[in-house]
Amino acid sequence: GEDVEQSLFLSVREGDSSVINCTYTDSSSTYLYWYKQEPGAGLQLLTYIFSNMDMKQDQRLTVLLNKKDKHLSLRIADTQTGDSAIYFCAEKDQAGTALIFGKGTTLSVSS
Amino acid sequence: DTAVSQTPKYLVTQMGNDKSIKCEQNLGHDTMYWYKQDSKKFLKIMFSYNNKELIINETVPNRFSPKSPDKAHLNLHINSLELGDSAVYFCASGIGGMNTEAFFGQGTRLTVV
Repeated sequence: GEDVEQSLFLSVREGDSSVINCTYTDSSSTYLYWYKQEPGAGLQLLTYIFSNMDMKQDQRLTVLLNKKDKHLSLRIADTQTGDSAIYFCAEKDQAGTALIFGKGTTLSVSS
Repeated sequence: DTAVSQTPKYLVTQMGNDKSIKCEQNLGHDTMYWYKQDSKKFLKIMFSYNNKELIINETVPNRFSPKSPDKAHLNLHINSLELGDSAVYFCASGIGGMNTEAFFGQGTRLTVV
């Protein structure tokens, strides 16, 4: 079945760049997503990338997609303490009916 | 103006009880979902539902059942609650199709004692 893998923790200093990596298994995924979950809150869609793109930039966020290696990354430039959260990578399931999430990467930003 | 709203936000109940969590979306989406997030923050799809089809994750016990009175609502009923059901349950909605982007509610933290 589908599987999405992420490293569980990342710690950076304020002002540095953060790079969160993800690998996925379903090569038919047309969209891949990044969600953010702050403590005690629901999931918020950060950005998504269409599978025919290699890169997408949105302000401080850059998404890179390597379809050959089934690797997705999220780069956050000038990381702030407010970026501390859990970041989930997601792809759709093979039935195309729901999202399959990675286990989430907890980003900790220290000042 | 909340897009996807769930009630209650917190639910504490005893083992063996039956409980429901309500979900409503005002986005006009035709697909709704229930996800379970365990204590390690892992998220798993439980159900996806549109007005035509209910798709159940085969790992979900049949004590869990979604009920949809109309397109804007998908409630989650849980019978004979067990300690292992303690988790945060998220409702979500989406337009379905190729782009399965989902909009999430704030979650219901269920604690079974």
